[in-house]
Amino acid sequence: DIQVTQSPSFLSASVGDRVTITCRASQAISNYLAWYQQKPGKAPKLLIYAASTLQSGVPSRFSGSGSGTEFTLTISSLQPEDFATYYCQQLNNYPITFGQGTRLETK
Amino acid sequence: QVQLQESGPGLVKPSQTLSLTCTVSGGSISSGSYYWSWIRQPAGEGLEWIGRSDTSGSTKYNPSLKSRVTISVDTSRNQFSLNLNSVTAADTAVYYCARGQSGSYYYHWGQGTLVTVSS
Repeated sequence: DIQVTQSPSFLSASVGDRVTITCRASQAISNYLAWYQQKPGKAPKLLIYAASTLQSGVPSRFSGSGSGTEFTLTISSLQPEDFATYYCQQLNNYPITFGQGTRLETK
Repeated sequence: QVQLQESGPGLVKPSQTLSLTCTVSGGSISSGSYYWSWIRQPAGEGLEWIGRSDTSGSTKYNPSLKSRVTISVDTSRNQFSLNLNSVTAADTAVYYCARGQSGSYYYHWGQGTLVTVSS
């Protein structure tokens, strides 16, 4: 299985901050990576696919980059509704695997 | 707008079979090239991909569950289902159905259903 490791696991930030979450794959996955946002009691929401393509309707403050084994999700200016847990997902190989999550909390 | 809704028992006894159905509304399950998938999440933990099927019956499963899981699509009912046999407490989780597009990017999800394995 391809292991996907996110860092950090927890992140404290304030409204207006720029934050970056990293996802590392245990082997190269080209750009077959997605980012999701999950709020408590809700299903995950697709933010970014193909590593850097913004899903329709997602605010432009979210961006993704990377290829191969290292990827980043950046939120350029945190808004109150962005405090949530974020997951990356690789789909280059089966089984599809998710990172362990990054919990973004208000400072 | 496509919507997915999980249904099934919320409580399953150990060693029995967990059976869930996902009903698709707002579009035909047969249209397009999608992967009809199940993903689960134990309380306070991350996401685990269970497996997927397309409408031709082609399936892929997580090897960690492969011997116990079956996913099937019923085009006549616009539904797909999950069967997980020989369950234990470790199978207690919120189970999500989802539609995979362009491979397995999951834009459409059900709301999730909690299944508890307990006697």
